[in-house]
Amino acid sequence: EVQLVESGGGLVRPGRSLRLSCTGSGFTFSAYAVSWFRQAPGKGLEWVGFIRSNPFGGTTEYATSLKGRFIISRDDSKSIAYLQMNGLKTEDTGLYYCTRVQAVAGSDYWGQGTLVTVSS
Amino acid sequence: EIVLTQSPGTLSLSPGERATLSCRASQSVRSDYFAWFQQKAGQAPRLLIYGASSRARGIPDRFSGSGSGTDFTLTINRLEPDDFAVYYCHQYGSSPPWTFGQGTKVEIK
Repeated sequence: EVQLVESGGGLVRPGRSLRLSCTGSGFTFSAYAVSWFRQAPGKGLEWVGFIRSNPFGGTTEYATSLKGRFIISRDDSKSIAYLQMNGLKTEDTGLYYCTRVQAVAGSDYWGQGTLVTVSS
Repeated sequence: EIVLTQSPGTLSLSPGERATLSCRASQSVRSDYFAWFQQKAGQAPRLLIYGASSRARGIPDRFSGSGSGTDFTLTINRLEPDDFAVYYCHQYGSSPPWTFGQGTKVEIK
């Protein structure tokens, strides 16, 4: 069974950093791109960015507004993708999801999300 | 950036009725990279439709997607109680950024 589990969320002060993890199981993690999305409380879905699989260069793409503050990486030996968030702002508060990205179907499996609260 | 605009914002229907949800893009979208998601309260989104018209695994045939270019539609036939949720359209083209519509809430009338 394909599963994705996010972890690392919590309460953090503005300006601080936080690293989220996304652990995949039930599939060949290294063969897939991984994307991150977020959802502010009571709001819609927002794409954060994604990392391609290493056969496709392992390169990353980001939402324009987040470029430079957020960094996505992966460790295929552990089946984990990371979202490093720096210089956090109150508007970064929300539920962060990771997804497996299929070439054709896009984000076909989602984790349950991890909550990030940025507040003083 | 491709802006997706969904209509209506809220759809009030009774079980057994048909729901028709619309998503309009600010510029042409490759149908290959257009999807619909369902999200229930407190749950992660679930992929319903990809490639504009292909049902994801396990999605009943009551759900169908159509459209191309800038206009896409999600149709839900014979609404069941479990279908009342928020639906998002999404484009995930080869040229980021990926974007979502603002969502359509399908509520029980």
